Amino acid sequence: DGGITQSPKYLFRKEGQNVTLSCEQNLNHDAMYWYRQDPGQGLRLIYYSQIVNDFQKGDIAEGYSVSREKKESFPLTVTSAQKNPTAFYLCASSPTQGSTEAFFGQGTRLTVV
Amino acid sequence: KQEVTQIPAALSVPEGENLVLNCSFTDSAIYNLQWFRQDPGKGLTSLLLIQSSQREQTSGRLNASLDKSSGRSTLYIAASQPGDSATYLCAVPVFSGGYNKLIFGAGTRLAVHP
Repeated sequence: DGGITQSPKYLFRKEGQNVTLSCEQNLNHDAMYWYRQDPGQGLRLIYYSQIVNDFQKGDIAEGYSVSREKKESFPLTVTSAQKNPTAFYLCASSPTQGSTEAFFGQGTRLTVV
Repeated sequence: KQEVTQIPAALSVPEGENLVLNCSFTDSAIYNLQWFRQDPGKGLTSLLLIQSSQREQTSGRLNASLDKSSGRSTLYIAASQPGDSATYLCAVPVFSGGYNKLIFGAGTRLAVHP
């Protein structure tokens, strides 16, 4: 089955902790993205990567970090510097950096406890 | 700056009705527009992608239209069913600094009751 796998589905973070959200794709897509979704709002771009070993900040990158060591993997770390991390996080991929058609994973819901 | 708005924010209809969801965008110079479906607590599923050169795109009971000059797209759902209950989002790509990102509306939450 080809697709994008996000894990875990639910994640709880204590104050001051860093947590890492996993995103793996077997679609052989070059570009990968992380979006954040808050209730009643559209998705907002956190980070994106067009190719292995390269990534760029999106609109709301503060308090987040990423890596792209393998084509199929794009993990997102929510650091303690992110003051309001409770949200639904969605990973997406596109075939090439110029492609505008996006395919999404099932999301990870992060809650601060 | 591109902004995307969806109206209404929520809609509740009886089964069998035909309905229209609206999406508007401020910058008419779009490359394409994509409609997604999102079930509660789930990711997004692409429904239709309509290119800027197209006026309509159809898939089963779904029909998306695009009017670039007026900055509007509509998603028409024929003979609605309870299984259509979900949030529907539209998005347009924006190109900046050599990359592209999608700008999303906040979505329309649809409930179809038997």
